[in-house]
Amino acid sequence: NAGVMQNPRHLVRRRGQEARLRCSPMKGHSHVYWYRQLPEEGLKFMVYLQKENIIDESGMPKERFSAEFPKEGPSILRIQQVVRGDSAAYFCASSPPSGADQPQHFGDGTRLSIL
Amino acid sequence: AQSVTQLDSQVPVFEEAPVELRCNYSSSVSVYLFWYVQYPNQGLQLLLKYLSGSTLVKGINGFEAEFNKSQTSFHLRKPSVHISDTAEYFCAVSDPNSGYSTLTFGKGTMLLVSP
Repeated sequence: NAGVMQNPRHLVRRRGQEARLRCSPMKGHSHVYWYRQLPEEGLKFMVYLQKENIIDESGMPKERFSAEFPKEGPSILRIQQVVRGDSAAYFCASSPPSGADQPQHFGDGTRLSIL
Repeated sequence: AQSVTQLDSQVPVFEEAPVELRCNYSSSVSVYLFWYVQYPNQGLQLLLKYLSGSTLVKGINGFEAEFNKSQTSFHLRKPSVHISDTAEYFCAVSDPNSGYSTLTFGKGTMLLVSP
């Protein structure tokens, strides 16, 4: 499968635990975007990364959330000390290196549930 | 700032009937426009995009959309729907002047096709 791979597909955490969501972009794509989808809402942009660089994190909550895209390995979205309001579907998308005309290719998402 | 409004949260329609899903956008600059489809428990799949040129854009699965600059609209149409078209449809915009393709989404329209 040459598409965007996200894992796990489903993640259950208790309040106060940490959640780590992984995303491997499509082959040849070096740009990664993370979005959050709350129930009955559209997707909201969180962060845009290139290899080893955070380019735009204007949509990230100021606390508890962080993202990285190391030189080797997948991109990671990390949520510390999770709360019930973090329950959502988190989608990763990737695109080739270019401008705003490049469509993004989405993974199937990670459904995060907080008990 | 950009925003996208999808006026209908749900559109019920009978199989083989035509359908139009409405999308209006608000932006102080020109935009690129996209329609994505999301099947249950899956990621988003690109249906079509408008970058420039002809205002009528044809996409996959028999869908098309028309860009109307004066009305700031990008409505999605299909002349005859199938049961398999039942899904959530998202309209999105990106800023051509940015160096990357961060998307701003509408809240989505659920298309419900019944026999």
